[in-house]
Amino acid sequence: EAQVTQNPRYLITVTGKKLTVTCSQNMNHEYMSWYRQDPGLGLRQIYYSMNVEVTDKGDVPEGYKVSRKEKRNFPLILESPSPNQTSLYFCASSLFGAGNQPQHFGDGTRLSIL
Amino acid sequence: AQKVTQAQTEISVVEKEDVTLDCVYETRDTTYYLFWYKQPPSGELVFLIRRNSFDEQNEISGRYSWNFQKSTSSFNFTITASQVVDSAVYFCALSEHNNAGNMLTFGGGTRLMVKP
Repeated sequence: EAQVTQNPRYLITVTGKKLTVTCSQNMNHEYMSWYRQDPGLGLRQIYYSMNVEVTDKGDVPEGYKVSRKEKRNFPLILESPSPNQTSLYFCASSLFGAGNQPQHFGDGTRLSIL
Repeated sequence: AQKVTQAQTEISVVEKEDVTLDCVYETRDTTYYLFWYKQPPSGELVFLIRRNSFDEQNEISGRYSWNFQKSTSSFNFTITASQVVDSAVYFCALSEHNNAGNMLTFGGGTRLMVKP
């Protein structure tokens, strides 16, 4: 089954404790991206990747890191999480760029930073 | 910079009513793509439609229809004869061609509540 898989689905942690949210897709998509969803703000793009070893900032990259060492995986790293990063996070992928392709989204990861 | 505005934060209707969700966008690019996504209470994001800037034909899919008007920079979504299962948050999104279509900008979303 074609899917984007995020883990964990839920995480409660404390300020400053490094965490990684994994994202994996099995559709051989070149494009992957991360979004955060906050009430009233919709989804905002954090980072995106056009292909292996190619990543770029979205609208709200501060406090986040990503890597794309393999085509299927695009982990989101919070080196020193803070409470303002409490949010619902979505990973997405598409065959090519975000423009002319519908995005396939993961089921989301709800992060709470205390 | 691209921007999407969904002025209606919440709409409540009674089943079988028609409802229109508004989406207004800003872009300097002449080539761009517009999307609608649905987020039901279960939380997943479901793709509904994509439209490119050169295709101003309105589209109908069952009870759903979309009205794209470049003159007013709007891409509105109408649900005819709404049903309880239409209750969800709906997002409009825009991607510009001039940045290789890599960035996708979402509006703030409209929460639609359809009451029986």
